[in-house]
Amino acid sequence: GAVVSQHPSRVICKSGTSVKIECRSLDFQATTMFWYRQFPKQSLMLMATSNEGSKATYEQGVEKDKFLINHASLTLSTLTVTSAHPEDSSFYICSAGTSGGFTDTQYFGPGTRLTVL
Amino acid sequence: GNSVTQMEGPVTLSEEAFLTINCTYTATGYPSLFWYVQYPGEGLQLLLKATKADDKGSNKGFEATYRKETTSFHLEKGSVQVSDSAVYFCALNDSWGKLQFGAGTQVVVTP
Repeated sequence: GAVVSQHPSRVICKSGTSVKIECRSLDFQATTMFWYRQFPKQSLMLMATSNEGSKATYEQGVEKDKFLINHASLTLSTLTVTSAHPEDSSFYICSAGTSGGFTDTQYFGPGTRLTVL
Repeated sequence: GNSVTQMEGPVTLSEEAFLTINCTYTATGYPSLFWYVQYPGEGLQLLLKATKADDKGSNKGFEATYRKETTSFHLEKGSVQVSDSAVYFCALNDSWGKLQFGAGTQVVVTP
């Protein structure tokens, strides 16, 4: 149980285009989803927290107009990287929590490798 | 604020050797503590967790005990396999459920 999927697993795009990444909880309802960014050989950096049906809460320094997050249902959250540039190239990972309000355990997706040319 | 410190890698071991990865934390309140494992090119998998002091989390031969007095959550395995080669992350959660990760420790197990 507690499986989280991400799509696509890998995407290459041209500078200036927008890319949408989907995160789905397959066998449970996720009231809270988290989006992380990971640079090579580094730890995960939390970008934002999203709760179903409400606006995402972004961490300090993360541009909310650049990284649009939508959490329209209890099983799906999307991250859209708008007008992507090479510096946005990274590994993006989502996670989902099962409890409303306080989330004790997060289950992670397999990640999406974004390369912006 | 909260923070997690874990030993730097890479840690290189021979198969069947004993593995220890040190992790210490600073936190307000009483967080839950986690170890996650990341295999190359993949997301994170929950390895084990402990939710209160003196709890021992265990899974797949790995163990870690929540030590409040030393604010530690060291990961151990008695006999590693090549398949244990991965990056291991120690983490704690805050009162909002956000995870604070350590820097990660790469483990390389050679045959």
